[in-house]
Amino acid sequence: AQKITQTQPGMFVQEKEAVTLDCTYDTSDQSYGLFWYKQPSSGEMIFLIYQGSYDEQNATEGRYSLNFQKARKSANLVISASQLGDSAMYFCAMSPLINTNAGKSTFGDGTTLTVKP
Amino acid sequence: DGGITQSPKYLFRKEGQNVTLSCEQNLNHDAMYWYRQDPGQGLRLIYYSQIVNDFQKGDIAEGYSVSREKKESFPLTVTSAQKNPTAFYLCASSMVFGAGGHEQFFGPGTRLTVL
Repeated sequence: AQKITQTQPGMFVQEKEAVTLDCTYDTSDQSYGLFWYKQPSSGEMIFLIYQGSYDEQNATEGRYSLNFQKARKSANLVISASQLGDSAMYFCAMSPLINTNAGKSTFGDGTTLTVKP
Repeated sequence: DGGITQSPKYLFRKEGQNVTLSCEQNLNHDAMYWYRQDPGQGLRLIYYSQIVNDFQKGDIAEGYSVSREKKESFPLTVTSAQKNPTAFYLCASSMVFGAGGHEQFFGPGTRLTVL
């Protein structure tokens, strides 16, 4: 069974500053993927970034980076130079990559990020 | 443009009625998923399908049914057996075979309200 824990229900950050959203996970799979999604108030889920369990380097996508610490089972999202449009709910998720449940994701409860002007 | 469409965006239903939510994708993805989201909460998996004519129950399948007759389509029926169906429903799709992370792509969602 897989489990995702996001311990920060809400976070505030000043515009142009960096912010870290926490995510820890638990799984018995050896090969898995970790994902972050953004959900604005409109409701649609937007894929942000992916990290494979065997990737040695942390993933980066523009202003998003994933701080992957495998031994600690953490996959924190770092958003640099926050913008007002970053205000949204953020979900961490994981899925196995090579067993019969490949692609089936488990989601955390989310963190609501508010960017202050 | 490739993507996922869900219809309708808003749906109102009387108690005791079945209702079907549409989900179509043109991304050529093998897998499709249905999630339920209650206000301020995360996503809970209702059903998923990794291949045509096959689907599996998720964590909260009671009161829901699905079909997967075509690769592009995965409709969800909310039956009268679902005790509290008012929620936001999200459909998603992903690759499951081959290299890559198999991230999910989501539709815009359907807000269902039971009157």
